[in-house]
Amino acid sequence: DADVTQTPRNRITKTGKRIMLECSQTKGHDRMYWYRQDPGLGLRLIYYSFDVKDINKGEISDGYSVSRQAQAKFSLSLESAIPNQTALYFCATSDFVTDTQYFGPGTRLTVL
Amino acid sequence: AQSVSQHNHHVILSEAASLELGCNYSYGGTVNLFWYVQYPGQHLQLLLKYFSGDPLVKGIKGFEAEFIKSKFSFNLRKPSVQWSDTAEYFCAVNERATGRRALTFGSGTRLQVQP
Repeated sequence: DADVTQTPRNRITKTGKRIMLECSQTKGHDRMYWYRQDPGLGLRLIYYSFDVKDINKGEISDGYSVSRQAQAKFSLSLESAIPNQTALYFCATSDFVTDTQYFGPGTRLTVL
Repeated sequence: AQSVSQHNHHVILSEAASLELGCNYSYGGTVNLFWYVQYPGQHLQLLLKYFSGDPLVKGIKGFEAEFIKSKFSFNLRKPSVQWSDTAEYFCAVNERATGRRALTFGSGTRLQVQP
């Protein structure tokens, strides 16, 4: 969905490096989410935010941090990347009315 | 914590065959239910959703799903698949009673439709 964009789309980095993945949306939604996708495991929730002042940990938040810079922007950081953080990362947004999540195109991250 | 099970990990069908993908969830309270599809190299797209009302829900591209509360199931069906249905399908649930609206996903079912 072009209304939810993610940068970069692909990134290869080395163990120990700091990485930031960015998500922007033009849907006007308050709620934003970060998931990671691993083969055979589906998508798992890392962090979610209901508004700029509300940040919540998901089921696999260890090793990650987030920043909600504005309603439209939600960034995910890996302070010191490790190889088992190699995955496909998706950002999603939703609104209170429809309660339906819309996903960005994903960022493929490889940690060597 | 709730969980979502998709027991079929990889399904191979011929075109025009009928499809049914299973989805079961563990949460006993009120839930919203979703099926998402991920075509090769693309992001997740919503196929259909169930919030309340008629337990038989129709979605895009001829897909439908039936919510059976007594079985904690939300199986996806399509009477006649096409080659273009080749994709990975994810069932997902969120809890209506709490403020949390993040989704819990199943592990996915990879569908391969042979021409």
